Amino acid sequence: DAGITQSPRHKVTETGTPVTLRCHQTENHRYMYWYRQDPGHGLRLIHYSYGVKDTDKGEVSDGYSVSRSKTEDFLLTLESATSSQTSVYFCAISESGMQTQYFGPGTRLLVL
Amino acid sequence: GENVEQHPSTLSVQEGDSAVIKCTYSDSASNYFPWYKQELGKRPQLIIDIRSNVGEKKDQRIAVTLNKTAKHFSLHITETQPEDSAVYFCAASSDQKLVFGQGTRLTINP
Repeated sequence: DAGITQSPRHKVTETGTPVTLRCHQTENHRYMYWYRQDPGHGLRLIHYSYGVKDTDKGEVSDGYSVSRSKTEDFLLTLESATSSQTSVYFCAISESGMQTQYFGPGTRLLVL
Repeated sequence: GENVEQHPSTLSVQEGDSAVIKCTYSDSASNYFPWYKQELGKRPQLIIDIRSNVGEKKDQRIAVTLNKTAKHFSLHITETQPEDSAVYFCAASSDQKLVFGQGTRLTINP
């Protein structure tokens, strides 16, 4: 597996609380992505980054924000978690936007 | 934007038989088409990919075909084995992003 870690791996939180998920890579890849995975929907892109401080929205970005202050770290923040954000969140990295994406181990988030 | 449809959503085959999963895409500018395999509780992992300048690619028991005119691509698994049981996702690359199909749950029956 590529050098990608996600933290935390599991989290239970309450509606209305802020949550930050971290993706860390040791591959020095330029592109980083956040996806959510829900039954029947496959993998849906939330936000992605094409360089330090360069980010853009994906198809399901509402309620999420991201930051990338260093090449190796990409943070996903749920400003005020809702039950609809209960999901498995995957981070992915790639050398360029048209290359293979390698996935992290995922974070299971439960919002009560 | 790109839209990827994947069929079937579930597929059950006898061990040793072949399995075929099909995907269609909408954006004619897409030029990279990977396939991922995801075992239960694990991360998606790339098993094979193809670029738009190639019509077919093979790696041991798996192959992918691409028809750019019809905008569809397919995954073929031959001589299926129990360890092939998993969820498979196709994807198409458009504008620096991958758009995924909804997934196919493949079950190999002994």
